Amino acid sequence: EAGVVQSPRYKIIEKKQPVAFWCNPISGHNTLYWYLQNLGQGPELLIRYENEEAVDDSQLPKDRFSAERLKGVDSTLKIQPAELGDSAVYLCASSPFRGDYNEQFFGPGTRLTVL
Amino acid sequence: SQQGEEDPQALSIQEGENATMNCSYKTSINNLQWYRQNSGRGLVHLILIRSNEREKHSGRLRVTLDTSKKSSSLLITASRAADTASYFCACGTSGTYKYIFGTGTRLKVLA
Repeated sequence: EAGVVQSPRYKIIEKKQPVAFWCNPISGHNTLYWYLQNLGQGPELLIRYENEEAVDDSQLPKDRFSAERLKGVDSTLKIQPAELGDSAVYLCASSPFRGDYNEQFFGPGTRLTVL
Repeated sequence: SQQGEEDPQALSIQEGENATMNCSYKTSINNLQWYRQNSGRGLVHLILIRSNEREKHSGRLRVTLDTSKKSSSLLITASRAADTASYFCACGTSGTYKYIFGTGTRLKVLA
């Protein structure tokens, strides 16, 4: 079974440029998460989807961040414009069902460097 | 904000020794999970313990949960060099379906 796929693995951009990350969850997983992980810290939730619906986006900085999950499968996270403080690893995770006891399967992440 | 705080922040032990790391949290949870992250890679789920459980085992892993103290511990027995990684607890709150991760413990196992 293929795991969670993310691309690109690395991205270097200059500040004020736009950037997009893509995630393909494990087949059949209805729940999809985007996390941000700063160096030496744990992941912090940005947005959670149940199928195509964003059910928790309270931590997403909506002035510059946007996300979509068309057709409830793969998802894109966008930053426009990027700032120096956005440099971090962006992790995507998926879970097979909606419930209180969800094991999350993580992708390898996209390491973003903003110069 | 981070719900869980791991202790210690970093731990260095010899191969074959046991490693214990702790997680303290602030609000009530209905389950707690532990994840491992190797350098530069994604997180891997290790074990889940529910709020009505006190102890759980999986191979060389032993997790305990004390809801009265709002704390959990992860014990890795007979550690190996391959156990070198960061370990995170993730706290799940009933009905929210989301997890808040702790700050992590960086474990280094010396061969």
